[in-house]
Amino acid sequence: DSGVTQTPKHLITATGQRVTLRCSPRSGDLSVYWYQQSLDQGLQFLIQYYNGEERAKGNILERFSAQQFPDLHSELNLSSLELGDSALYFCASSVGGSEGSYEQYFGPGTRLTVT
Amino acid sequence: QKEVEQDPGPLSVPEGAIVSLNCTYSNSAFQYFMWYRQYSRKGPELLMYTYSSGNKEDGRFTAQVDKSSKYISLFIRDSQPSDSATYLCAMRRTSYDKVIFGPGTSLSVIP
Repeated sequence: DSGVTQTPKHLITATGQRVTLRCSPRSGDLSVYWYQQSLDQGLQFLIQYYNGEERAKGNILERFSAQQFPDLHSELNLSSLELGDSALYFCASSVGGSEGSYEQYFGPGTRLTVT
Repeated sequence: QKEVEQDPGPLSVPEGAIVSLNCTYSNSAFQYFMWYRQYSRKGPELLMYTYSSGNKEDGRFTAQVDKSSKYISLFIRDSQPSDSATYLCAMRRTSYDKVIFGPGTSLSVIP
């Protein structure tokens, strides 16, 4: 158990809908990262937050957004869902941000299925 | 050309064998190299971390980095069925840069 929690574990929804994925980092970790893992694309970095502020952006679609709250939990919002958004979504956390934190601890993931 | 390439396997070995997993990369700016293990439907777990070139050993695992060849390796000695998983290499340019993952190699260790 990495100490990172994600809810829900599974999500099935229809095209065009909007969903919210939630992540609670390990106690003491200030950085939260979101990743998407699909069979054909592998593990893709989406976005990083550090202590409530956006720190880095990867290949995140405009239909997706995220935020980190004062209690450091984070939410990833996916809207206007398409079939191709079906994937595993992982959250990871680490202690630091700009000063470097190579150890990212991953949560168990949320499996999203868009039908 | 992808930034990080990895043979997807699957790789099947008998219990007790030495396993060699490899990644190549194209960006010479990468300095931090990691190996993650991912069991089916679980989150990746950090196994090894190395900075720049050289070797690092931790128990049955040894990570090697050859920056001149843009090639990294993970060796697993005395492989066990519990090592059956997908192994992802990962790297970043600086300690605070985004992490780029390889596509992963699926490993099966047969009892």
